[in-house]
Amino acid sequence: EAGVVQSPRYKIIEKKQPVAFWCNPISGHNTLYWYRQNLGQGPELLIRYENEEAVDDSQLPKDRFSAERLKGVDSTLKIQPAELGDSAVYLCASSEQGAQYEQYFGPGTRLTVT
Amino acid sequence: QKEVEQNSGPLSVPEGAIASLNCTYSDRGSQSFFWYRQYSGKSPELIMSIYSNGDKEDGRFTAQLNKASQYVSLLIRDSQPSDSATYLCAVIPQGAQKLVFGQGTRLTINP
Repeated sequence: EAGVVQSPRYKIIEKKQPVAFWCNPISGHNTLYWYRQNLGQGPELLIRYENEEAVDDSQLPKDRFSAERLKGVDSTLKIQPAELGDSAVYLCASSEQGAQYEQYFGPGTRLTVT
Repeated sequence: QKEVEQNSGPLSVPEGAIASLNCTYSDRGSQSFFWYRQYSGKSPELIMSIYSNGDKEDGRFTAQLNKASQYVSLLIRDSQPSDSATYLCAVIPQGAQKLVFGQGTRLTINP
């Protein structure tokens, strides 16, 4: 069974440019999470989806970040415009509905903003 | 006070010894506790979960939970160089449906 797929794996952009990350969860997993992991820190939840509904986006900086999961499967996280402080690893995870205790993480996208 | 606190390390342990990793949490109502392992440049992977006071053993790993002291620990017996990684403690706070991670402890096993 394929794991969580993310792309791109690495992205380098200049500040003020837009960037998007894509995630395909494990088949059958209704719950999808986007995390940001800064260097030397643990992952911090940005947004959680149950199917296509964003049920927790309280930590998403809504002035520049947006996310969508239109058909309840793939998801895209966008930053526009990017700032230097956005440099981090963006992790996508998925789980079966209600099983937030058993999340499977993708490989992440390492973003560098110059 | 951070919700989940860990000593960032690095923690250096000789091969074959017991590595002891500690974590404290602030929400007394938390019910679910996890340890994730993260190799450098890789994503976190779940290695242990514990929900009730006491010890839970799985192979060389033992998770210990003390809710009265709001303390979770992970013991790794017979440490191997392949155990060298960052270990993340995670908690599901009461009423929340999300994991809250500590900053992680970097563990190095010396051959």
